[in-house]
Amino acid sequence: SQKIEQNSEALNIQEGKTATLTCNYTNYSPAYLQWYRQDPGRGPVFLLLIRENEKEKRKERLKVTFDTTLKQSLFHITASQPADSATYLCALVGNYGQNFVFGPGTRLSVLP
Amino acid sequence: KAGVTQTPRYLIKTRGQQVTLSCSPISGHRSVSWYQQTPGQGLQFLFEYFSETQRNKGNFPGRFSGRQFSNSRSEMNVSTLELGDSALYLCASSLEHGQQGNSPLHFGNGTRLTVT
Repeated sequence: SQKIEQNSEALNIQEGKTATLTCNYTNYSPAYLQWYRQDPGRGPVFLLLIRENEKEKRKERLKVTFDTTLKQSLFHITASQPADSATYLCALVGNYGQNFVFGPGTRLSVLP
Repeated sequence: KAGVTQTPRYLIKTRGQQVTLSCSPISGHRSVSWYQQTPGQGLQFLFEYFSETQRNKGNFPGRFSGRQFSNSRSEMNVSTLELGDSALYLCASSLEHGQQGNSPLHFGNGTRLTVT
């Protein structure tokens, strides 16, 4: 069956450093991979999406890579700030209206 | 544009009862999908509705059902509640032709259901 794993459950880093979150999957061939941020008590908010034929996408301080051979996506936040503290979720989706499959999330804490 | 609105925000029910949750998507969005989020299982897909038709269904028992109205608003119903149904129920809307990987999901802030 499909399986998605993300980092450890929690990640602590110092302010100003680069946070790197990992999303690994098995038994799945996603056409797209999306990353979301979720704050406590709120719904997830979309951040970035990357297609299977793209290696890298950037948006401001965010960067996503997608390696379909390794079945892995890396999500980087450069110059991290305490306001970046949240849970980050990866979501995989195939083609033709298949439903999204979400990873368990990584809780990132950026320490001042 | 207003975001996705879910009501109520909090709900406490007793085992065996039934519950109806409501979701109003972003104006113009015709796809509404529902997810259950628990600490142990994470975000799990329940079902998706597009133009009043259920297009996709997750692996949940028949006690979980939904519908979509002509104005794209959606309701989710859970009958014969069990303790394990306690969760955050999230609704998400997306543009155009329903859930697609090249289009983001726009989530509401959820309904927190507690079953006692």
